[in-house]
Amino acid sequence: DTGVSQDPRHKITKRGQNVTFRCDPISEHNRLYWYRQTLGQGPEFLTYFQNEAQLEKSRLLSDRFSAERPKGSFSTLEIQRTEQGDSAMYLCASSSLFDRDSQETQYFGPGTRLLVL
Amino acid sequence: EDQVTQSPEALRLQEGESSSLNCSYTVSGLRGLFWYRQDPGKGPEFLFTLYSAGEEKEKERLKATLTKKESFLHITAPKPEDSATYLCAVPGYYGGSQGNLIFGKGTKLSVKP
Repeated sequence: DTGVSQDPRHKITKRGQNVTFRCDPISEHNRLYWYRQTLGQGPEFLTYFQNEAQLEKSRLLSDRFSAERPKGSFSTLEIQRTEQGDSAMYLCASSSLFDRDSQETQYFGPGTRLLVL
Repeated sequence: EDQVTQSPEALRLQEGESSSLNCSYTVSGLRGLFWYRQDPGKGPEFLFTLYSAGEEKEKERLKATLTKKESFLHITAPKPEDSATYLCAVPGYYGGSQGNLIFGKGTKLSVKP
């Protein structure tokens, strides 16, 4: 078990471009979460999946953001027409509903740092 | 509205100087309180989960405690490698289902040798 992985670790893009991030959760974790973190703040929830179903989306998730989790394994987060305000660390986490002792414990990946110029 | 407040925002300690970080929360139906450590440029690293008032958990120089309204993270004889931002979080109800963690802003701990 290598933990949650995210790719890329860093992304610099120009305003208006589209970007896509990938998250690979801990194997057999059926829940996957996306958060956004800006400097000096705690992570803010964006959306989460249980298996392949996207169950909740935050009001922070504008129409320019879309997330998928095909086949209930890895997930992608796409931001279309990026804006400078999208610059942040995008974090992915996973958890297991089947771990009775810690089913709500979320394990985070290293994050993808996005800079929009 | 569910909220998590951490204090102080920043804490500077000398190596060996014990102290405590505070996390207060307002949430209906607490389903656990989580402590994470975050190093600069990295994702949060899970430390502890506390589920009920009076519960305590320890890991090396860290001990987390929970009351009905707040949690404390006690750091005993800290070392420079304990320097990090410590985040606490509670599960929230978002849109009627349980999916997200609500985080505080964190306490940035610096331990000087």
